[in-house]
Formats: sequence, C-alpha cells, structure tokens
Amino acid sequence: SAVISQKPSRDICQRGTSLTIQCQVDSQVTMMFWYRQQPGQSLTLIATANQGSEATYESGFVIDKFPISRPNLTFSTLTVSNMSPEDSSIYLCSVEGGGPAEAFFGQGTRLTVV
Amino acid sequence: GDSVTQMEGPVTLSEEAFLTINCTYTATGYPSLFWYVQYPGEGLQLLLKATKADDKGSNKGFEATYRKETTSFHLEKGSVQVSDSAVYFCALRNNQGGKLIFGQGTELSVKP
Repeated sequence: SAVISQKPSRDICQRGTSLTIQCQVDSQVTMMFWYRQQPGQSLTLIATANQGSEATYESGFVIDKFPISRPNLTFSTLTVSNMSPEDSSIYLCSVEGGGPAEAFFGQGTRLTVV
Repeated sequence: GDSVTQMEGPVTLSEEAFLTINCTYTATGYPSLFWYVQYPGEGLQLLLKATKADDKGSNKGFEATYRKETTSFHLEKGSVQVSDSAVYFCALRNNQGGKLIFGQGTELSVKP
C-alpha cells in the first residue's frame, strides 16, 4: 500500500487567484494522478504526471489552467490557476500499486472559490 | 466509451439493515471492477475488487460479485453499522491499462 499526504486539506480562495496543492507519497511511484470531484458528482481524471516528462491531460483539461509539476518520484503539485467559483471542488491525488489496477488516494483538498 | 452507473443516493438505513447498492457498467473487453469508500473528510479507500467474471470481492462484511451476463457489480452487506456511513463509488478499469472510470457515488447514512 501507499500513504499519500495532501496539503492543504481545504482552502477558501478569491476568484482570479491561484492555489497550489501538494501531494507527497511515502514510496517511489512512476505515475501520479490528479482527480477532481465536483460537488455531488463523481471523480474525473485531470491528468497523469510522470517524473521527468510533461503531464498528460484528459479531454477538457489544459496545462495553462492546471499546471502540474513532478520533480521526483515521491512528490507532485497541481496548481489551479485563475480560479473561478466553478473550480470549487475536491482535488485528489492518487497513485497505483498493490494488486492489479488498484489505486490509492490522498485525503483530498477541498477548494472553495468565492 | 466505458462508463459506470450507480443507484442514486442518499440511501438511509437503520442499523443492522441489509444494504444493496446497485452498480452496472459498460465496457469493451473484460474490465476489473472496484468499490471504493470515502468516509467523511477522507480520501477514497479501496473496499473490494474483482478482476474477472464470477469473482466475488469481499471485505469488512461487504461483498460484490462480478456478473458479466448482467454487466453488474452490486455491493451488499447483510447488517450495516453506523460506522458504514460514507460515500461508495463503483469503478472500472479496462484491462488494456486504461484509466479508472468512476460511478457518481452513492451516499449511505446509517441511523442507530
């Protein structure tokens, strides 16, 4: 298993500002994943972050809005840029490991944009 | 594309009641199926999984059977506890190594 620490756990931000979310894993992993969970909805994959290369973004998500860093095998950041109230969501970091196709998640960052 | 559909919540039960949360899926090939649970204020945790047809995943009294003929993976528990109150997510991953696809989540509230 993997233990994932995310911070901040929650924040309230003004529109037009940016927030960087950090994700620390207790072991080295090849890929890290960032998800968004909008209020009352399911999880949607934003992007996959590999160490040493640019992140791969899913349809509907772009690097200018959600820049990602992956400086080493245990750490990643997701920035939510130029925020609007529509960005209010829970953002989750995830890694894969253990049994086939199993995923582990951080506790999430609850973001409210006012 | 691949998708997962869960029964809508919230589901409210009394302690010791029987729980069923329905989950059906659409996928090409033979996906792996999962149930994740999200307790209040926490991230998602894997509850159980099944990787092939007719497999039964089980954990903490919860069970789900991979039914290929009905493309279903319903979650059941014979006697729920207050501590089971959480949001439950059904998910699949195509065995070609694709991304996890989640259902919309079902909130369960168990009253004493």
